[in-house]
Amino acid sequence: GAVVSQHPSRVICKSGTSVKIECRSLDFQATTMFWYRQFPKQSLMLMATSNEGSKATYEQGVEKDKFLINHASLTLSTLTVTSAHPEDSSFYICSARDPKTGAGNTIYFGEGSWLTVV
Amino acid sequence: GENVEQHPSTLSVQEGDSAVIKCTYSDSASNYFPWYKQELGKRPQLIIDIRSNVGEKKDQRIAVTLNKTAKHFSLHITETQPEDSAVYFCAAGNFGNEKLTFGTGTRLTIIP
Repeated sequence: GAVVSQHPSRVICKSGTSVKIECRSLDFQATTMFWYRQFPKQSLMLMATSNEGSKATYEQGVEKDKFLINHASLTLSTLTVTSAHPEDSSFYICSARDPKTGAGNTIYFGEGSWLTVV
Repeated sequence: GENVEQHPSTLSVQEGDSAVIKCTYSDSASNYFPWYKQELGKRPQLIIDIRSNVGEKKDQRIAVTLNKTAKHFSLHITETQPEDSAVYFCAAGNFGNEKLTFGTGTRLTIIP
């Protein structure tokens, strides 16, 4: 089946620095990818929709200048957490759907990235 | 926007018994309802999904039912096994659109 890969799986950074997380669709092209944030024992909260070749669409309450999203190609979206603070520590996960006819509507998730800001 | 509620938040079931998790949604335009299983620190895995043109779908020990009128859908797991222990999320969205609204999750524990 289609695979979405995320990197890094775990990252620790110092407060005030920036961290980039990559999301790749490995065997299909995705014009749209989604970024979620998940706190421990909580649900997946949609942060933004990443649109290939155009600006990302952010959900209400998500700071676009803090969570920079770039979707430069049909197989890669990146999320950069800028000027990270301890409260940004969380599990970040991306998703994408294989748009090929016959692929159904299965939405694939990346492995997720644990971010710890110290 | 869509709002999805999920109950219960935790559920403990004796091995071999059945487990039922329920979700309600608010947007009548939603027509796609997947269920995901997530183990700690791992990606959600799709276990079953249903579209609004059917009322029930079954895949071995797992089934999902949908009541469009009442705007609720349920996950049924029969003959539960220890490996069924995980967090389960329901979601609602539109078929062909990747944007999903997730429920709050249910931590299912199967007691051997």
